[in-house]
Amino acid sequence: DVKVTQSSRYLVKRTGEKVFLECVQDMDHENMFWYRQDPGLGLRLIYFSYDVKMKEKGDIPEGYSVSREKKERFSLILESASTNQTSMYLCASSLLQAAGPYEQYFGPGTRLTVT
Amino acid sequence: GENVEQHPSTLSVQEGDSAVIKCTYSDSASNYFPWYKQELGKRPQLIIDIRSNVGEKKDQRIAVTLNKTAKHFSLHITETQPEDSAVYFCAAKRSRRALTFGSGTRLQVQP
Repeated sequence: DVKVTQSSRYLVKRTGEKVFLECVQDMDHENMFWYRQDPGLGLRLIYFSYDVKMKEKGDIPEGYSVSREKKERFSLILESASTNQTSMYLCASSLLQAAGPYEQYFGPGTRLTVT
Repeated sequence: GENVEQHPSTLSVQEGDSAVIKCTYSDSASNYFPWYKQELGKRPQLIIDIRSNVGEKKDQRIAVTLNKTAKHFSLHITETQPEDSAVYFCAAKRSRRALTFGSGTRLQVQP
């Protein structure tokens, strides 16, 4: 069974702290993604990675960085957390196949509150 | 880049009625259009998808239609049931790897 896990379901951090969100998948997927989910804004792509040590910016990368040192693990880093980064963060993974399937499998999400 | 607009933002129907959610996309090169369902407190899950070489696809009570000329696609749910209540997201595949999602539709099925 497909499995994507995230390190925390709930996280509370202070403004200015460095925050690490971790995602692990056990499906040997090449692609991994980080989204943030806010009411009325849908799922917005922050960064994605298609291979170890490879990354591409999504639509809203400002204030975030990522790390992928191993195929199964993709970390999202908030260098200096701010209150406008309070959100639900979702990780996802998918196969890298030119002809599909393209299904993305999501983790349970981390609800981050920055105070 | 790709832009996906989704309407309506909320939809309330009576059990047994049909529900339709519509999306438009901007990039004519997009070739894959999935729909994800997110139940309250749960992760999004793929429910149906369509590729650009197909105009319609059905899976039991759900169907998706695609109009490439007009750059819009729709999700149709027939004979709605309370368990269909959820947030639905459309998406368009913008590159070899990434999806662009719509803003979501909260569907409520009234028993």
